[in-house]
Amino acid sequence: NAGVTQTPKFQVLKTGQSMTLQCAQDMNHEYMSWYRQDPGMGLRLIHYSVGAGITDQGEVPNGYNVSRSTTEDFPLRLLSAAPSQTSVYFCASSREYRVPEQYFGPGTRLTVT
Amino acid sequence: SQKIEQNSEALNIQEGKTATLTCNYTNYSPAYLQWYRQDPGRGPVFLLLIRENEKEKRKERLKVTFDTTLKQSLFHITASQPADSATYLCALPPTNNDMRFGAGTRLTVKP
Repeated sequence: NAGVTQTPKFQVLKTGQSMTLQCAQDMNHEYMSWYRQDPGMGLRLIHYSVGAGITDQGEVPNGYNVSRSTTEDFPLRLLSAAPSQTSVYFCASSREYRVPEQYFGPGTRLTVT
Repeated sequence: SQKIEQNSEALNIQEGKTATLTCNYTNYSPAYLQWYRQDPGRGPVFLLLIRENEKEKRKERLKVTFDTTLKQSLFHITASQPADSATYLCALPPTNNDMRFGAGTRLTVKP
């Protein structure tokens, strides 16, 4: 099993550009989530999904969109990138919602200039 | 509002000593608490979960305690090794859909 995979590993965007961060898992997990990690602030939840076709907002959803058309994939879209979105983004999954143990991907380091 | 605090940003100890990391929380009554390890450039990795009715949990050289009265969890690494150097995160279960993570403590074990 590859676990949770994320692409790209690094990305530089100009303000106003849009892009999609990819996330996939091969563990047949129902629950998937996106976090951003900023220095001194810990991981903050952006969006999550409890199953295919179901998504909901986390703590910091503004400026991001998600969709979950399959169990395996959970892409995160930045609609119009802003410097405040410079961060490291992690995708995570767990067997089901509220099953505590989460498996994290390797992260995507995004810089918006 | 709910808050999680990990006592120090960085902790340096000598190899062989016991490292003790602290996670405090406020305005929370969690059913469990988790600890994760994060190495530079990598995603967090789950280590241990302790439930509110458990005072202590062990896994090899790791020990976690959970005091719901003090609203505190302690994470101990005994006989620490340089390979234990990493950032350790505590996490509390979702309330209002947010799984909350502390900012982490960066542990450095010197040989």
